[in-house]
Amino acid sequence: QVQLQESGPGLVKPSETLSLTCTVSGGSVSSGSYYWSWIRQPPGKGLECIGYIYNTGSTNYNPSLKGRVTISVDTSKNQLSLKLSSVTAADTAVYFCARRGSGGRSFDSWGQGTLVTVSS
Amino acid sequence: DIQMTQSPSSVSASVGDRVTITCRASQDVGSWLAWYQQKPGKAPKVLIYAASSLQSGVSSRFSGSGSGTDFTLTISSLQPEDFASYYCQQASSFPPTFGQGTKLDIK
Repeated sequence: QVQLQESGPGLVKPSETLSLTCTVSGGSVSSGSYYWSWIRQPPGKGLECIGYIYNTGSTNYNPSLKGRVTISVDTSKNQLSLKLSSVTAADTAVYFCARRGSGGRSFDSWGQGTLVTVSS
Repeated sequence: DIQMTQSPSSVSASVGDRVTITCRASQDVGSWLAWYQQKPGKAPKVLIYAASSLQSGVSSRFSGSGSGTDFTLTISSLQPEDFASYYCQQASSFPPTFGQGTKLDIK
C-alpha cells in the first residue's frame, strides 16, 4: 500500500519561496498510470488542487497560481517536490501530497498534510 | 474552472439516520465525480469515484449516484464514525475542483 509523507518548513516569510517534499513509499513515482499531486487547504476552508506531475515528467498547474508553481520528482529518492514562489498570507494552508489514478481520476492516497504559515 | 456547489453546507443527524448530500457542477462533468470524507486534522479519504463506484475498503452504507451536473452521496444508516465533512470533486477537466464541503454533525 502506497504511503506519502510531506516535509518542509512550517513557517515562510512573505515574498519568499515555499518548498515542500513528499516522500513516497510502497510505490514508485516513475511508474504506473498515476498523477502525483499537491493539494492545499487554508485553515477552515475547502480544498484546492495546485497541480500534478505524471510519470513522464509532464506537469499541469492550476492557472490561479499565476506561474508561481513548480512541481518536480526525484526518482532516485522517490520524492515529489513543490515550490511556490512569492508567497503571501493567502498561501497559508495545510499542504497535502496525493496520488491521482488515471482510471477513476480520484485522489486515492494522501499524505497526512503539513501546515505552512506565511508570516514575517 | 468548473464550479462545484454542495448542499447543504451543514446537516445535523442521528445515528441510524439516512443522509443525502447533493453536489451540482457548473457544467457537464459526465461521471467524473468523486466523494471524499475528511475528519478534523486528517487528510481526505476517497469514498466514491466515477460517480457511483465504491472505493475498495469503504463501507457499503455509502453510495453515490448521478451524472452530468447533478450528483448525490447517500449514507444509508449513519454510524458514529461517519460524523465528518464531505467534499465532492469533479475530475472531468483540469484543474480538478472541489465543492465547499458539507459538515455532518450529531444532532
